Amino acid sequence: DAGITQSPRHKVTETGTPVTLRCHQTENHRYMYWYRQDPGHGLRLIHYSYGVKDTDKGEVSDGYSVSRSKTEDFLLTLESATSSQTSVYFCAISAGGNVLDEQFFGPGTRLTVL
Amino acid sequence: AQSVTQLGSHVSVSEGALVLLRCNYSSSVPPYLFWYVQYPNQGLQLLLKYTSAATLVKGINGFEAEFKKSETSFHLTKPSAHMSDAAEYFCAVRMDTGRRALTFGSGTRLQVQP
Repeated sequence: DAGITQSPRHKVTETGTPVTLRCHQTENHRYMYWYRQDPGHGLRLIHYSYGVKDTDKGEVSDGYSVSRSKTEDFLLTLESATSSQTSVYFCAISAGGNVLDEQFFGPGTRLTVL
Repeated sequence: AQSVTQLGSHVSVSEGALVLLRCNYSSSVPPYLFWYVQYPNQGLQLLLKYTSAATLVKGINGFEAEFKKSETSFHLTKPSAHMSDAAEYFCAVRMDTGRRALTFGSGTRLQVQP
């Protein structure tokens, strides 16, 4: 257990509604990541953070925003959910000091947009 | 840009048989390579990582992988499959700069037949 929790674990929402997913860590790690997992695509990076208030985009960032006001929390927001954002979302953390530092993954959030 | 390709989205083996999951990488610089495993409805767990200290890397649960620069490959093997090995396996590559995020292959689902 790498001390990562995600909430909610499951969510069903309707197209056009805002959604916020939360990732919480107890490890005080610097780097935090949001990935989405879709069949045939593996995991793809949405956004990442390298410190409080320091965030940047990944490969599939359109339609998503993030915030990190505390070391332990990294929020992913879908401003206006679309059906194409139905996916499983994983948060990951790493100490980041070394490129070989392990990334630890949370249990995932399954989001369904109707 | 760095990427990984996993050949075969599904692999089925008999219990006790050799497991071979293929991963080829594309990188303009020496790559940092990882194998992760995902059991049903769980997050990802690190199996092993290539550190350049040795071309044959041993991981958890009896898995190992061999880095072959001439073939740009990092295939995952296990001499004897167990029913508990049934899962999805992801090969990933990581950059040495910037965000340190992982770029994943599309995954290979391993099925173990009794």
